[in-house]
Amino acid sequence: EDQVTQSPEALRLQEGESSSLNCSYTVSGLRGLFWYRQDPGKGPEFLFTLYSAGEEKEKERLKATLTKKESFLHITAPKPEDSATYLCAVQAAQGGSEKLVFGKGTKLTVNP
Amino acid sequence: NAGVMQNPRHLVRRRGQEARLRCSPMKGHSHVYWYRQLPEEGLKFMVYLQKENIIDESGMPKERFSAEFPKEGPSILRIQQVVRGDSAAYFCASSPDPGQMQFGPGTRLTVT
Repeated sequence: EDQVTQSPEALRLQEGESSSLNCSYTVSGLRGLFWYRQDPGKGPEFLFTLYSAGEEKEKERLKATLTKKESFLHITAPKPEDSATYLCAVQAAQGGSEKLVFGKGTKLTVNP
Repeated sequence: NAGVMQNPRHLVRRRGQEARLRCSPMKGHSHVYWYRQLPEEGLKFMVYLQKENIIDESGMPKERFSAEFPKEGPSILRIQQVVRGDSAAYFCASSPDPGQMQFGPGTRLTVT
């Protein structure tokens, strides 16, 4: 069964304090790994898709990386507006299903 | 270009009533997905539809739940005879082809 585990569950940072969020996964053939951001009371907002080990993508203060077993979301010099829950999801290449399997997320709080 | 639209945003039903959740995908998107988010839980896949076809319903409870995506009009997720355990946020996502999904704002269902 495909599984995604995110750590830590919650993370508090001071503004400007860089850190990383972890997403470990087991999947029967990876088609893609996805990162989303979710604000309270809203739907997930797409951030990145990674397809193969070694791939990296960046967007403003966020950088996502991928290995064969895990992905990291690096946050450089975060600001209070980066506070949100960050969700990781995998899509399996086998079985013909397009569904995403999500982790429970990491709740990030950035204090000014 | 409007995003994925869901209505209602909040829905209150008494036990035993029916709940109908609507989702209008982004223009040009023919793939629709429904996910459920329980409190303190991750997003869970329910069903994947294309116009007039259910492609994957492996995440749908066997009873009381049904989904459709007619040729004309929005996708509908229908829950019959709701119970308290159905209280959750229900998210719809759409994509132009299998893969990257854009999520809607969700419908928060409360069963009293």
